[in-house]
Amino acid sequence: DQQVKQNSPSLSVQEGRISILNCDYTNSMFDYFLWYKKYPAEGPTFLISISSIKDKNEDGRFTVFLNKSAKHLSLHIVPSQPGDSAVYFCAASRGSARQLTFGSGTQLTVLP
Amino acid sequence: KAGVTQTPRYLIKTRGQQVTLSCSPISGHRSVSWYQQTPGQGLQFLFEYFSETQRNKGNFPGRFSGRQFSNSRSEMNVSTLELGDSALYLCASSLDIAGDTEAFFGQGTRLTVV
Repeated sequence: DQQVKQNSPSLSVQEGRISILNCDYTNSMFDYFLWYKKYPAEGPTFLISISSIKDKNEDGRFTVFLNKSAKHLSLHIVPSQPGDSAVYFCAASRGSARQLTFGSGTQLTVLP
Repeated sequence: KAGVTQTPRYLIKTRGQQVTLSCSPISGHRSVSWYQQTPGQGLQFLFEYFSETQRNKGNFPGRFSGRQFSNSRSEMNVSTLELGDSALYLCASSLDIAGDTEAFFGQGTRLTVV
């Protein structure tokens, strides 16, 4: 039973355009959501998080949107840069970041 | 400020052997969590330690165990290794205080079982 789902295994975007990565969850007990970026053979790098009491959180080029009623969150990257090419994971937790449930990841490729 | 440090980075073991992996969290972080990443199953939670006690455990067999020391450093052990244990093992540390929403990961240990 996948509690966190990323239905798009890959996404290609032109440099300078917007990248939108999507994530759905089924467990209504989740109250923190995080996005990580990962390169092969390295640990995930934290990007941005959002609490369930908010619907938007922004940090530089990264914005995360949360739609609780739809159990859906998305990560927007504007403008996209070639260095953003990596696998992006969304993760969810209850109460803190100590036990994360991850999605399967989306490979983002930003084309120059 | 040093990040999360995992040792060793790479390890090759034979089926049936046991292995111990080490994780040093960010200074001041008291919670250490372990994850396994495989191509088939993705990133899965193994267990979490806080103040030398295991607080949460994922759905893994008893061959996977861990411990945490008084300085918050943690080790995980896998006994009677199987080929399917080949994976990237990641540890993450967090402050674990109210409102803390970030977990920081180490580079991982790539375990290959032959």
